[in-house]
Amino acid sequence: AQSVTQPDIHITVSEGASLELRCNYSYGATPYLFWYVQSPGQGLQLLLKYFSGDTLVQGIKGFEAEFKRSQSSFNLRKPSVHWSDAAEYFCAVARGNQGGKLIFGQGTELSVKP
Amino acid sequence: DGGITQSPKYLFRKEGQNVTLSCEQNLNHDAMYWYRQDPGQGLRLIYYSQIVNDFQKGDIAEGYSVSREKKESFPLTVTSAQKNPTAFYLCASSKRDRDEQYFGPGTRLTVT
Repeated sequence: AQSVTQPDIHITVSEGASLELRCNYSYGATPYLFWYVQSPGQGLQLLLKYFSGDTLVQGIKGFEAEFKRSQSSFNLRKPSVHWSDAAEYFCAVARGNQGGKLIFGQGTELSVKP
Repeated sequence: DGGITQSPKYLFRKEGQNVTLSCEQNLNHDAMYWYRQDPGQGLRLIYYSQIVNDFQKGDIAEGYSVSREKKESFPLTVTSAQKNPTAFYLCASSKRDRDEQYFGPGTRLTVT
């Protein structure tokens, strides 16, 4: 069965430091992969997506992610974190053989310290 | 501006009552989805609809019902059969079923 794992429940980084959030997926075919961000009490906003092609994808707010098929990973990165990046981040994979419904990871909560 | 609206933002009900959550989109998307979010559990799919007048159960459909009479609207009813209804409910839509999903702001339901 398809699954998504975000190993880190909570991460704290200093403002200006780099960030990497981990995501591992289990899926037999080429996956459609997504990263979303959620501020407290709000809906989810799409940061970036990977469907095919270049394995390094650029998103909004200065985020990027790299698809590594050999490692079944789709880690999210940002070179310099801003205080406004504090939020919860979700990785998701589309279930292609079931109408494309998304499977979400458990989420990683990011705290940013001054 | 195009988007997804959910109303109300906060909803309080007594145990044993049915309650309907509204979801409307003006993005002209074909597919719509309902998710439930609980602390530490990510999002779980309740129901989804790929076209008007058709919908399918997701992973946790028991105790919920939906309708899709119009392309723009996908209301969710939380019935009294749902054993643990207190949660944050998110509605989403996508142009096609494998495209990225756009989310509404959510409705927080509290049942006491």
